[in-house]
Amino acid sequence: KAGVTQTPRYLIKTRGQQVTLSCSPISGHRSVSWYQQTPGQGLQFLFEYFSETQRNKGNFPGRFSGRQFSNSRSEMNVSTLELGDSALYLCASSRDGGDGYTFGSGTRLTVV
Amino acid sequence: KNEVEQSPQNLTAQEGEFITINCSYSVGISALHWLQQHPGGGIVSLFMLSSGKKKHGRLIATINIQEKHSSLHITASHPRDSAVYICAEVDQGGSEKLVFGKGTKLTVNP
Repeated sequence: KAGVTQTPRYLIKTRGQQVTLSCSPISGHRSVSWYQQTPGQGLQFLFEYFSETQRNKGNFPGRFSGRQFSNSRSEMNVSTLELGDSALYLCASSRDGGDGYTFGSGTRLTVV
Repeated sequence: KNEVEQSPQNLTAQEGEFITINCSYSVGISALHWLQQHPGGGIVSLFMLSSGKKKHGRLIATINIQEKHSSLHITASHPRDSAVYICAEVDQGGSEKLVFGKGTKLTVNP
């Protein structure tokens, strides 16, 4: 079966720009969660969506937002990019969030 | 505040050795995950456990809820086991938010 697909794999943006990342979950999975990984902070939870509703949110500024579509695909958006937003962004899907996760390969965002 | 502590931070072993990675957490959890991350970033979920012990091939994960402690063991380690191993707790408060440890970087030399 197809895994979790994240696009794009790599992205370079300039400070002040905005960016949209996409995550297509495994078929039948309704929960999609997003994570940021940096060398300094490690992995941190951004938010989780289930059936098009944001169910949980981590401690990130409002510049980080997301949404989920009716087919469970999810996007996250970061506006007014800062150098510190350079990171690996991972998404994970599960049937209902609590039954085990499958991770995508991530999108590596570099802000210059 | 949820905190997840892993030890050791770095671990170097010779092929064939028995490996143990430890994870301690500070508050009640509904489950604990062990994840494996290879260079390049891809993460694989190894185990999700809320009690007792689980085994998959050469990997064994145990959890002691009373002591708020979990261990990941690798028997007969192999160079291909070289990766970063991360434990993550699922909050007991009903959310599915994961709180991650900093990871243990394992290097297995041939």
